Amino acid sequence: KQEVTQIPAALSVPEGENLVLNCSFTDSAIYNLQWFRQDPGKGLTSLLLIQSSQREQTSGRLNASLDKSSGRSTLYIAASQPGDSATYLCAVRTRGAGSYQLTFGKGTKLSVIP
Amino acid sequence: DTEVTQTPKHLVMGMTNKKSLKCEQHMGHRAMYWYKQKAKKPPELMFVYSYEKLSINESVPSRFSPECPNSSLLNLHLHALQPEDSALYLCASSPSSQQGAWETQYFGPGTRLLVL
Repeated sequence: KQEVTQIPAALSVPEGENLVLNCSFTDSAIYNLQWFRQDPGKGLTSLLLIQSSQREQTSGRLNASLDKSSGRSTLYIAASQPGDSATYLCAVRTRGAGSYQLTFGKGTKLSVIP
Repeated sequence: DTEVTQTPKHLVMGMTNKKSLKCEQHMGHRAMYWYKQKAKKPPELMFVYSYEKLSINESVPSRFSPECPNSSLLNLHLHALQPEDSALYLCASSPSSQQGAWETQYFGPGTRLLVL
């Protein structure tokens, strides 16, 4: 059974700092990995989707990498801003039975201090 | 239109009430999902509809009854809920389901449900 772990659970940084969020998964037989952002009490916003054949994806100040063989992904946020404060969720779509299902990590709660 | 909408935003109901949650998308997606998210927890899959047919039911109690009347609309009918069912209910869609495992899922803003 796929398990997804995100470290750290919470992170507080001053504005302008670059930061890295980590995600690890136990079963490397995945279709893709997706990073989401969730604001308190709100739905999920998709940030980046990395297919299993890709190594990284970039969108603006965000860069996500994937090392499928080691079961790891990182989300790099450059020049952080207070508006980046949110919970960041990592989710994987695993091959085989249940491939319809996204398995989520518990998230990293990010606070960017002005 | 790349949006999934959900109504209502908030819902308070008693344990004897019957209510429905509604989800709508106009992206032509043929797979739609219901997730339940408790506070400080990740979303948990409840149901998957593929081409308007229920394809997955993750052992959800019968007091939750999904319905997909057409390709754009997904309902979740609620009856005789318990206080522990209080959560954020998220709807999502993707172009297709298993066949489109490489696709992203688009999430709605959720309905915050409180059962008294």
